[in-house]
Amino acid sequence: GQNIDQPTEMTATEGAIVQINCTYQTSGFNGLFWYQQHAGEAPTFLSYNVLDGLEEKGRFSSFLSRSKGYSYLLLKELQMKDSASYLCAVRDGNGRGSTLGRLYFGRGTQLTVWP
Amino acid sequence: EAGVAQSPRYKIIEKRQSVAFWCNPISGHATLYWYQQILGQGPKLLIQFQNNGVVDDSQLPKDRFSAERLKGVDSTLKIQPAKLEDSAVYLCASSTTFRWIEQYFGPGTRLTVT
Repeated sequence: GQNIDQPTEMTATEGAIVQINCTYQTSGFNGLFWYQQHAGEAPTFLSYNVLDGLEEKGRFSSFLSRSKGYSYLLLKELQMKDSASYLCAVRDGNGRGSTLGRLYFGRGTQLTVWP
Repeated sequence: EAGVAQSPRYKIIEKRQSVAFWCNPISGHATLYWYQQILGQGPKLLIQFQNNGVVDDSQLPKDRFSAERLKGVDSTLKIQPAKLEDSAVYLCASSTTFRWIEQYFGPGTRLTVT
């Protein structure tokens, strides 16, 4: 099975840096994803890590340590529009054929950015 | 490029009634997914299609839920009969292949069962 844990809520101020952590325990692993979901909207893809290390994309960076079952999403120069839920998801990599590639999502971290 | 389309956006029904949701994926995307997202939780995969074939439906409550993708393009998800616990947002997503990195999500259908 899959167990994905992330904080329920976080708050930060505009211009600051925030780190959202995600820990996972999975029977198989084939990549970790971060999605952003604004209230009432669909999730949108932010980042993908399959190897250990840091992936940077503009103001957003994502880190992965497979040996520790740990990832974080780093958001720099926070803006009000970054207020959203951030979903950590793990792709199944060791399941039987039918579940290979399945994404397992965490509950999401609701980030509120204050002015 | 047009995104994933879903309809209706909102639906309110009474328990034991039936409901159907429709999804049109991004043109050319062979893989289509239906997710259920209960308030305060992350999306949970219900069923995955590759073209018009089912790849993974192990988490679909088959006694009441059914889905089809007859021509390998658009898809419908049906609930019959609905229960109170089916209240959720039903998200459709598509990708070019089940191994591809990014899934593109539609706006979802918010279902309320009273």
